[in-house]
Amino acid sequence: AQSVAQPEDQVNVAEGNPLTVKCTYSVSGNPYLFWYVQYPNRGLQFLLKYITGDNLVKGSYGFEAEFNKSQTSFHLKKPSALVSDSALYFCAVRDIGFQKLVFGTGTRLLVSP
Amino acid sequence: NAGVTQTPKFQVLKTGQSMTLQCAQDMNHNSMYWYRQDPGMGLRLIYYSASEGTTDKGEVPNGYNVSRLNKREFSLRLESAAPSQTSVYFCASSENRVVAGNTIYFGEGSWLTVV
Repeated sequence: AQSVAQPEDQVNVAEGNPLTVKCTYSVSGNPYLFWYVQYPNRGLQFLLKYITGDNLVKGSYGFEAEFNKSQTSFHLKKPSALVSDSALYFCAVRDIGFQKLVFGTGTRLLVSP
Repeated sequence: NAGVTQTPKFQVLKTGQSMTLQCAQDMNHNSMYWYRQDPGMGLRLIYYSASEGTTDKGEVPNGYNVSRLNKREFSLRLESAAPSQTSVYFCASSENRVVAGNTIYFGEGSWLTVV
């Protein structure tokens, strides 16, 4: 079965510093990987996805993610964090057989002023 | 753009009561989903509908029923609510199950408390 793991419950970073939120995956076949963000009391918003092609994927709000097949990772990155980036971030993988997303447990990002 | 709309936003139920969560999407998507979100567990799939007229169980279907009323609407029913069903419920949709890599879009969530 497809699965993703987010090893960090929380990531703390100072505003202006680069940020990384980690995700590793386990899939059979080609992975289809996604990142979503959830602000307090809101739904999940799509940030970016990797289907095929370039290993560096650019998404919304200045975020990007690097697909690394040898390390089975899909880490979310941003060159310069903003306080407004503070939120809950979810990595997910498409379960190809059943047309659904399997989510990680989420990583809370806290950006301090 | 409304996207995925779900109602109600908040609901408190007593144990044993029933209720239906409503969901509608205006993106002409074929596939729709119901997820629940619990602290430390991420999102877990309750039921999904790959296309109009079909529904299938997800990871945690017990205690729930669904109806794909038409292409736009996908409702989730709790027949006899239990405290373990206290959660945040998200409806979602995606374009098509055939084309790989489709993005799933989520509603704003329904906060349900069962006392």
